[in-house]
Amino acid sequence: DTGVSQNPRHKITKRGQNVTFRCDPISEHNRLYWYRQTLGQGPEFLTYFQNEAQLEKSRLLSDRFSAERPKGSFSTLEIQRTEQGDSAMYLCASSGSQGTTYEQYFGPGTRLTVT
Amino acid sequence: AQKVTQAQTEISVVEKEDVTLDCVYETRDTTYYLFWYKQPPSGELVFLIRRNSFDEQNEISGRYSWNFQKSTSSFNFTITASQVVDSAVYFCALSEATLGSGSARQLTFGSGTQLTVLP
Repeated sequence: DTGVSQNPRHKITKRGQNVTFRCDPISEHNRLYWYRQTLGQGPEFLTYFQNEAQLEKSRLLSDRFSAERPKGSFSTLEIQRTEQGDSAMYLCASSGSQGTTYEQYFGPGTRLTVT
Repeated sequence: AQKVTQAQTEISVVEKEDVTLDCVYETRDTTYYLFWYKQPPSGELVFLIRRNSFDEQNEISGRYSWNFQKSTSSFNFTITASQVVDSAVYFCALSEATLGSGSARQLTFGSGTQLTVLP
């Protein structure tokens, strides 16, 4: 069973450009989460999906951010008109929604640097 | 609102010493879940343990043990006979339960404790 994968692992972009990240969850997991982690801090929740439905969004998720999970499998997170403050590690996690499957398993993250 | 506090920013111990990482949480829910994660220098978060709010039984797994006390809202993590490979940032996290199903939701993390084990 493969774990959560994220692509790309690193992204350097210029301020004002759009970027898109992809997350492939563990295959039998129906929940998928996005978090953001800055240096020296714990991850902060952005949004999560159950199957293809986006159930919750954090106030951190400004209008420039959009996430999709069109077929309930992989997910994409897009940031439009990037700002230097968007520089962070973007983490994806997946979990089940039944009983003992509540643990969230994290991918390796996508490190975004906005210059 | 829920909150997780890890007051110890950095801890340094010598190999084979025992070390306890503190975690204090706040939530208004009666059903919730507590987690510990390890983030080694490679960066990937590794799940260690989940506890349910209705199960205060302490748990031991090899050199790791966890002490959950609802009365003090604490969920502390002890590593016995620490090893250099234990060096990492450790995060405590809290998830409230979904109304109805009781399933776990998104995690609220503490700011982490950087543990350094010296040889």
